[in-house]
Amino acid sequence: QMQLVQSGPEVKKPGTSVKVSCKASGFTLISSVVQWVRQARGQRLEWIGWIVVGSGDTKFAQTFQERVTITRDMSTSTAYMDLSSLRAEDTAIYYCAAPYGSEGAFDIWGQGTTVTVSS
Amino acid sequence: EIVMTQSPATLSVSPGERATLSCRASQSVVSNLAWYQQRPGQAPRLLIYGASTRATGVPARFSGTGSGTEFTLTISSLQSEDFAVYYCQQYDYWPPETFGHGTKVEIK
Repeated sequence: QMQLVQSGPEVKKPGTSVKVSCKASGFTLISSVVQWVRQARGQRLEWIGWIVVGSGDTKFAQTFQERVTITRDMSTSTAYMDLSSLRAEDTAIYYCAAPYGSEGAFDIWGQGTTVTVSS
Repeated sequence: EIVMTQSPATLSVSPGERATLSCRASQSVVSNLAWYQQRPGQAPRLLIYGASTRATGVPARFSGTGSGTEFTLTISSLQSEDFAVYYCQQYDYWPPETFGHGTKVEIK
């Protein structure tokens, strides 16, 4: 069964960083891409960025350009999203997603990681 | 950046009725358009890709049409589990930087 398994919930203080992992199970990410999306409570999906796993190329939404890093470890089929300078408004559920059998659409999603930023 | 505009924001429908949701792209994305369903407390789930192809396991009451800039998701006879938020996302231009704002389908 193909799935993406994300790391557990995080509680962080303002100004610190968080790193969320996303591990592929049942398939490999090597020839794929991974997008990261977040959703604050009651809000819409917000695209953060993505990584082309094979090349390591990344692109980020302008909102996050200065604060986000996305990396990958091909040996473990794991992608990572690191968000720095956290503020209360970053409190949200963070999802990773990858295309597998749907011609480029993102059909495999992680279960989500809750990040809470609070002093 | 391609802007995706969904309408309406909220759709009130009775169980068993038809629901029609719209998504417009600011420029042509050909047929590279996906629809996602998000139930409360769950991750998004791919429903439709290629504008009209149902993803694995998606019931036949869900159908997608359109190409270019105008797309429609139709749910032919709403079931209780279909009350959710629906998002569209283009993937013609990579990376697919934006989602629509979503349409909430609620019980009338």
